[in-house]
Order: sequence, then C-alpha cells, then structure tokens
Amino acid sequence: GQQVMQIPQYQHVQEGEDFTTYCNSSTTLSNIQWYKQRPGGHPVFLIQLVKSGEVKKQKRLTFQFGEAKKNSSLHITATQTTDVGTYFCAGPHNDMRFGAGTRLTVKP
Amino acid sequence: GAVVSQHPSWVICKSGTSVKIECRSLDFQATTMFWYRQFPKQSLMLMATSNEGSKATYEQGVEKDKFLINHASLTLSTLTVTSAHPEDSSFYICSAALDVMGGTRDQPQHFGDGTRLSIL
Repeated sequence: GQQVMQIPQYQHVQEGEDFTTYCNSSTTLSNIQWYKQRPGGHPVFLIQLVKSGEVKKQKRLTFQFGEAKKNSSLHITATQTTDVGTYFCAGPHNDMRFGAGTRLTVKP
Repeated sequence: GAVVSQHPSWVICKSGTSVKIECRSLDFQATTMFWYRQFPKQSLMLMATSNEGSKATYEQGVEKDKFLINHASLTLSTLTVTSAHPEDSSFYICSAALDVMGGTRDQPQHFGDGTRLSIL
C-alpha cells in the first residue's frame, strides 16, 4: 500500500532553536494528518491538512501541505521542553499507515 | 469528545497464556477500529483493521490465528494474543475514528492509551 516517508528520524535541539520534520509521498494525498506522541504516551491528533499549499498554525507550530499534495512539513519555532516527543504524519487511508516518525529531544 | 478507552494498560503473564485487550469508543460509534503494534522508539505498525460485524483485515505478515480480532459492537473491538510468547511482548494500541457520512477515511484517529504486554 501507499506509504509516507518521514525525515529526519531523530532531532536533538537546544531549547529555543527551531525544528522541522518532513513527510513525502510518492502519490498524491487527499489529506495528511499529524500526530504527537509523548514518551510513554499514545499518539494525539494535532491537525489535518486538505488543500493544496495549505498552511495552518497552532501557536509555535506551523504545518504545510505541498502544492502537489505529496509532501508536508511541521515546523516548530523556538522549541520548548514541552515539545519533546515523536511527531508522526499519516496519510488518508482506510488503514491509516503512519510515517516512521521524528523523535524530538530538547536540551534545556 | 471522541474518547477511546483501552484495557488493560499493562499485562505481565507467562508464556503460553492468551491475553485479551479491549478497545472501546466511549462517546461515539466506530464501525472501524485499528490495531497497532509499536516497538520501543519505533513507529506504529498497523496489524489489522477491525470491522464491526465482519472479519478483520490483517496486514501482510500478521498471523490472524495468533492475533484474534473481534468487533462485535459499534463501540468495542478486542484483540486476543493467543498462546503468547516472549517475542509477542510489545506495546499494542488501538485507534478509532468517528463514523461520518462518506466513511472514516479522512477522519482523525483517536487512540487508546495502549497496552504494554510482557510475556515471561
């Protein structure tokens, strides 16, 4: 089935630095969803992007959907220790396949 | 709203034991639920799609006789790990999406808290 590739696998930043994770698909996606999983927790839905070129913001988080609807990114401005966790993207399948995730650690 | 409850949260048992994990949608109906397995520091691996009133759809490489799935109602799906062995130890997590006209395909997934299974 269709897969979404996600990079980087890990990212370690100093508190206050920015962070970006990217997802890419070989085929056009009708939408893409982003989730955050804190250590020891379960994934929590963050946002869904549907339109070509769409940009959505949630405080310090900015989500983008590519013009071709094949890629997406999540950018965090001025990271905080509360941002620690793994960020997953997921394509719109009936079977909900997730990207590999980017594990973010933040050094205070 | 859209709360998914998963029970138990932690299981430790002897090899050869069968373990049942329940996944409930508390405030919404879910004709489709998903079961995942997650190894430490890895992504969620979809095991199967649970369909209310019909057989589950298993992913390639997942033994359906090993991982029995039952979705007998619109709010409950169960995963039974039969004759569990140490290699079955993992974090199992379920998810569900709200049933809307047009299906659940584009709906956000709501996850249970997961079950940590340890087989001795």
